[in-house]
Amino acid sequence: QKEVEQDPGPLSVPEGAIVSLNCTYSNSAFQYFMWYRQYSRKGPELLMYTYSSGNKEDGRFTAQVDKSSKYISLFIRDSQPSDSATYLCAMSDGGGSQGNLIFGKGTKLSVKP
Amino acid sequence: DADVTQTPRNRITKTGKRIMLECSQTKGHDRMYWYRQDPGLGLRLIYYSFDVKDINKGEISDGYSVSRQAQAKFSLSLESAIPNQTALYFCATSEAGLAGGSNTGELFFGEGSRLTVL
Repeated sequence: QKEVEQDPGPLSVPEGAIVSLNCTYSNSAFQYFMWYRQYSRKGPELLMYTYSSGNKEDGRFTAQVDKSSKYISLFIRDSQPSDSATYLCAMSDGGGSQGNLIFGKGTKLSVKP
Repeated sequence: DADVTQTPRNRITKTGKRIMLECSQTKGHDRMYWYRQDPGLGLRLIYYSFDVKDINKGEISDGYSVSRQAQAKFSLSLESAIPNQTALYFCATSEAGLAGGSNTGELFFGEGSRLTVL
């Protein structure tokens, strides 16, 4: 079993839809949870960061962490064509700068006008 | 100008050739990383460096070597390229120290170097 599992999709939704992206993990020591967004032909960029459990909201984006279930989610409200990208979850026990950040495979999202 | 610059952006080479991918950064970060991205496999860490005198192997270092020439420069070498090293390679940087408070441990990525080994 991989440490981090993420459905690669692709996922196609109409503009305005609510999108739910998810990852599961097996390492109970993970405390730092991140979502990176990667546009085509670009490097990933940090979208959301959460420490430990709970929710975090930033505009149309909400990140949720359920450590008891080892499950994290990213919700996108009122999705826009500009949200079309690959979304990678990432997590670690010591923060991403420790060289131990584990990435999911990424979910490719397409938002159709 | 990009904060993290990778050269070349695209390279096609033949089996057995030596290849160097270069990365330079203007973010002033001490920590630098090389990742490889393959379809269906995601991002995997090849090597990382916490400062000029510190080099560490990542998950998939076999067949690769690195050099940290300065705080701002970190290069990745393939001594004898093979076809299964065909991939998209990313350099990244981060601040030092454990994540927490204002330091999220965020990685700042370059735009990638696409390498094809024939």
